[in-house]
This record gives sequence, structure tokens and C-alpha cells, in this order.
Amino acid sequence: ETGVTQTPRHLVMGMTNKKSLKCEQHLGHNAMYWYKQSAKKPLELMFVYNFKEQTENNSVPSRFSPECPNSSHLFLHLHTLQPEDSALYLCASSQARGTGELFFGEGSRLTVL
Amino acid sequence: AQSVTQLGSHVSVSEGALVLLRCNYSSSVPPYLFWYVQYPNQGLQLLLKYTSAATLVKGINGFEAEFKKSETSFHLTKPSAHMSDAAEYFCAVSGDNNNDMRFGAGTRLTVKP
Repeated sequence: ETGVTQTPRHLVMGMTNKKSLKCEQHLGHNAMYWYKQSAKKPLELMFVYNFKEQTENNSVPSRFSPECPNSSHLFLHLHTLQPEDSALYLCASSQARGTGELFFGEGSRLTVL
Repeated sequence: AQSVTQLGSHVSVSEGALVLLRCNYSSSVPPYLFWYVQYPNQGLQLLLKYTSAATLVKGINGFEAEFKKSETSFHLTKPSAHMSDAAEYFCAVSGDNNNDMRFGAGTRLTVKP
């Protein structure tokens, strides 16, 4: 138990569906992150929120839309995805941006048909 | 910009043998360095971290790593491999504020009986 909870753990969706991934942290941290982990590729940083403000968007396609309503919750809204978007999506948190150790959730395994 | 390079995408050792996973970093500022482990279908778990204190860092599960500035290296070692060490290992680097953590491509460790 890392203090970071992701739901759902597994998601299968069609290319025309709209779904959301949820992340919640119980560590009192102020920074939250979305990473994408694909087979045979390094972890890709997608989005960073620091004190609820988005501070990083690594050229992520607009079909991925993040939302951070408060420092404890982070969402990733998905729509009109492509099969190549199938991956493990990892949420992480840290005390604040750039302050070292990240705490990861167990990930949401996404399959796009 | 900061980056890490992990040498060898796959390492195989016999149970009881030395484990050596290699990581070299590039950073324009004094780095913070980390090793994470990922077991199947799980998120990343911190093994150990270097934050400019002692150059030899001890982590969980008997792992340790040595920061060598002259070689820009932070290799992970364990004297005697156990079957339960089979997993994917990631080296990561971050710097001061606003330098988000960057991960290597990972090294998959296999332990043979």
C-alpha cells in the first residue's frame, strides 16, 4: 500500500468511447503526475499538477484530458482513443514538484480496441 | 536536461549470484538519483535514493547503490540474488525544483534456480 490508489485497474474501451481514470492520494502531497508505460519504451511523463495547477504537458494529444480538482485527486479523461494508446497508465505523487521521491499507484491497464 | 541510461534491457543471474544493474546519468545540476522496482501488474516501488549525502546508499531487500560522480554512474547491486528479486528495475534522475523525474528504459532481471 503506497497511499496512491488508482481505479479502475483494468479498462477496455472502443475507439469511440469516453472513459476516465481516477487517482487518489492519501499522503498529503501537493504534486501529482500521470505517466504512460508502454511495452519496450521508457516511462513517458504526460502531465504534472503542482498545487492543483497544471505545470507540464508533454505534447500529449488532446484526446487525453487531465483534471485535478484538488491536491488529492487526479483524473485522466479519455475520448476517441487509438489502439496505440493501449498501455499501463501510472499515477504518482510527491511532496511538491521536483522534490524527489515519487509514490506510485498500481496503475490502470488500458486496452483500446 | 537530465537523463539516465540503463545498460542492458535484460539481465539473467543464478540464485545466490551477484546482481549488478548499470545506470549512467546526465545532469547539469547535482542530481537526485533513484532506483525503483516494478513487479508484474504493479506500480513502481522505491528501492533506494541518493540525495547528496553518503555516496553508498542502502535500500530495501538487500540492495545498495554507489554514486560515482567521476563516472556519472549509479549502479545497483545485491550480493546474493533471490528468486523473489525477479522484476523490472528502473533508474531515475531528478534535480532541483521544476526538474521532473526522468526514468531509464528499465532492466528486466531474471533469476534462475
